Amino acid sequence: QKEVEQNSGPLSVPEGAIASLNCTYSDRVSQSFFWYRQYSGKSPELIMSIYSNGDKEDGRFTAQLNKASQYVSLLIRDSQPSDSATYLCAVKGDNDMRFGAGTRLTVKP
Amino acid sequence: DGGITQSPKYLFRKEGQNVTLSCEQNLNHDAMYWYRQDPGQGLRLIYYSQIVNDFQKGDIAEGYSVSREKKESFPLTVTSAQKNPTAFYLCASTYNEGRQFFGPGTRLTVL
Repeated sequence: QKEVEQNSGPLSVPEGAIASLNCTYSDRVSQSFFWYRQYSGKSPELIMSIYSNGDKEDGRFTAQLNKASQYVSLLIRDSQPSDSATYLCAVKGDNDMRFGAGTRLTVKP
Repeated sequence: DGGITQSPKYLFRKEGQNVTLSCEQNLNHDAMYWYRQDPGQGLRLIYYSQIVNDFQKGDIAEGYSVSREKKESFPLTVTSAQKNPTAFYLCASTYNEGRQFFGPGTRLTVL
């Protein structure tokens, strides 16, 4: 069974701090990795994708991938109250897609 | 504007009843997916389709059925065989190396 595991949280950080979200996956052949943000009662929206080892930065977001350790992370710098949401890690296999259970983040003003 | 439409937004099902959830996209994406989300949990894959007239089971396909007669449409039927269907159902399409775009979802409740 292919698994995607995330810190269940909840994670609480003060405004302006760095939030760190982690994800591990079991399928070694996975090549594509994604982070989605989901506000309560809404559908997920893509915030980051990463395909090769290393870091990928987009604004306040940095995704990190280590395929040898089967580990993906998301850093959110200068966290804002509007970042408060559930963050879902997703891993793509050949054609299917698997999601972690999500980490709920709260940014306190 | 391009996007995914899901209807209805809320759906109530009686015991033993089949219901169909609609998913329509005008993004010209080939692949479409159905997920189920239970409270406090991630998304679980029900079915997916890479091309018209072809689809594959996901992890929790039992009690569900789909069709893909048109590229734009991927309806999901929740049959009476699905014993605990109360959940949030999300339809998505895939573009650019696996990135997914989601519809607004349908909340199904069993009465």
